Amino acid sequence: EVQLVESGGGLAQPGGSLRLTCAASGFTFTSYAINWVRQAPGKGLEWVSYIRSDATTIYYADSVKGRFTISRDDAKNSVFLQINSLRVEDTAVYYCAREASASYYAFDYWGQGTLVTVSS
Amino acid sequence: SYVLTQAPSVSVAPGQTATVTCGGNNIGSKSVHWYQQRPGQAPELVVYDDSDRPSGIPERFSGSNSGNTATLTISRVEAGDEADYFCQVWDTNSDHPGVFGTGTKVTVL
Repeated sequence: EVQLVESGGGLAQPGGSLRLTCAASGFTFTSYAINWVRQAPGKGLEWVSYIRSDATTIYYADSVKGRFTISRDDAKNSVFLQINSLRVEDTAVYYCAREASASYYAFDYWGQGTLVTVSS
Repeated sequence: SYVLTQAPSVSVAPGQTATVTCGGNNIGSKSVHWYQQRPGQAPELVVYDDSDRPSGIPERFSGSNSGNTATLTISRVEAGDEADYFCQVWDTNSDHPGVFGTGTKVTVL
């Protein structure tokens, strides 16, 4: 069974940092790209970042570029999102999502999300 | 940046057909994916590549895409279909390629 489990969220102050983890299981991790998608309270989905299966290609949304860093550790079947210089507007549930087996740029499995709250 | 526009809400009676649209400049040239998100849950892929369904998604969910509008159609609507629906594309011409639509709340009357 494919599973994605996010962790690392919590309460942080503006200007602070957090490291989110997406732990994957149930599939060949090294064959799939992973994305991070966030959802502010009561708002829609916002794509945040992408890392290709071999980590050779990485993308970020303009809203996070220069502050967020995505990486992966194939030995741990995990993808990480390092979030620096946190802003109040970064408050959201952060989901990791796997690229679809049948379509490179759809997301077929999602984690349950981890909540990041930025407040002083 | 590429923009996808959806109507905020759609209401439909049980057994009828719900139509959810997603507007974007020449969206017909892109592959469109659709997600259902029930309250308190993670999104779920219901249609990919304009009109294909993942395993386990009922045939009642169908999609089309042409010109400047992509459409998700839910036939024979059930109470359990009440959810937010988001379209999504991958803009390969951009260095920030992931794009979601604004979302449509489908209410079953």
